Amino acid sequence: KAGVTQTPRYLIKTRGQQVTLSCSPISGHRSVSWYQQTPGQGLQFLFEYFSETQRNKGNFPGRFSGRQFSNSRSEMNVSTLELGDSALYLCASSATGESTDTQYFGPGTRLTVL
Amino acid sequence: AQSVTQPDIHITVSEGASLELRCNYSYGATPYLFWYVQSPGQGLQLLLKYFSGDTLVQGIKGFEAEFKRSQSSFNLRKPSVHWSDAAEYFCAVGARGGYQKVTFGTGTKLQVIP
Repeated sequence: KAGVTQTPRYLIKTRGQQVTLSCSPISGHRSVSWYQQTPGQGLQFLFEYFSETQRNKGNFPGRFSGRQFSNSRSEMNVSTLELGDSALYLCASSATGESTDTQYFGPGTRLTVL
Repeated sequence: AQSVTQPDIHITVSEGASLELRCNYSYGATPYLFWYVQSPGQGLQLLLKYFSGDTLVQGIKGFEAEFKRSQSSFNLRKPSVHWSDAAEYFCAVGARGGYQKVTFGTGTKLQVIP
């Protein structure tokens, strides 16, 4: 079974631009979560989508948004990029999104904002 | 609020030696506990998890962890470390209801020397 894939793997943007990251979950998984990982803040939950609906949201500004398509693929968008948005963005999928359900992570997208 | 502490930022062990990575948590009720491993350039992989029952949990790659309620700890152990175990290890604490409720520790970076 193919794992979670994320594209692109690396991105370089400048302040003020916007960016879209993509995540393809494991086949059959309906829950997709996004995380931001930085050396200073560690791993922080952004949001979770389940069956095309945002079910949970972390404490991030509205510049961070996402969506999920009918095939469970998900995209994350960051508008008006700031230097502090430089991070590794991880996507994870699970069958149900419940904490007892194993979550599988993708390799991440490394975003650098100049 | 729940929290998790990994007191060791960096640990170095010799190949073949035993390993113990410390994790302390703060949570009001019986927590859900997780250990993940992240290799360079990769996403997180679940090593093991504890929800209830037997306090000694066996995971993948020869790892185990023991839940000690009296000490609020969930330390990760391996009897004999291999060079391929060099990675960063994250402890996480959560609750029923979804991964938005999971808090990750700041990680322990493991170096393995020949």
